[in-house]
Amino acid sequence: DTEVTQTPKHLVMGMTNKKSLKCEQHMGHRAMYWYKQKAKKPPELMFVYSYEKLSINESVPSRFSPECPNSSLLNLHLHALQPEDSALYLCASSRGSRGSTDTQYFGPGTRLTVL
Amino acid sequence: QQQVKQSPQSLIVQKGGISIINCAYENTAFDYFPWYQQFPGKGPALLIAIRPDVSEKKEGRFTISFNKSAKQFSLHIMDSQPGDSATYFCAASKDGGTSYGKLTFGQGTILTVHP
Repeated sequence: DTEVTQTPKHLVMGMTNKKSLKCEQHMGHRAMYWYKQKAKKPPELMFVYSYEKLSINESVPSRFSPECPNSSLLNLHLHALQPEDSALYLCASSRGSRGSTDTQYFGPGTRLTVL
Repeated sequence: QQQVKQSPQSLIVQKGGISIINCAYENTAFDYFPWYQQFPGKGPALLIAIRPDVSEKKEGRFTISFNKSAKQFSLHIMDSQPGDSATYFCAASKDGGTSYGKLTFGQGTILTVHP
């Protein structure tokens, strides 16, 4: 099973709302990732968790707050977002072997619209 | 140095034809080159990948050709089918250190296969 699940599939929120995106995998992977993808663009890395510790933050604004409660779950907490934050948010996971061939498996994404 | 340049931006092929997508990189530290396929509304899925110690890798109708001296690699889709219509991203990664977990993506190619 190489499935990464994400909820919700779609989310519409106002600029003053607080919401969370959820990601789950049951492949025993120890690395999990958040990406942001705008239309017709490649995914942009936001955060990497390795063994439940934040290992990479790509200078993401603090209105995005990641959380990794355990090795299977990854959350992205959203607060005071801007309309330009509207995008497809992708979660991915990998074994966490630290090698370049550590294949990342992506979830279907959450389509976020900020009004 | 971190860029991966992908061409063409879009490609239209007749059913049964060969689709060719090219990528070029500058950073010789990259040592793993995956291709991802993304359908509308879905997350990217790993299609095929290659390491620079081989010049070609074939999986079914999909072949990666790799030219280490030219720092170029390409995806060939033989007998292209309408179901292959998707966006294709080449990517590159390198071992460990502060680059752990980072995929450098090309800009993507939108492939349309006409019946």
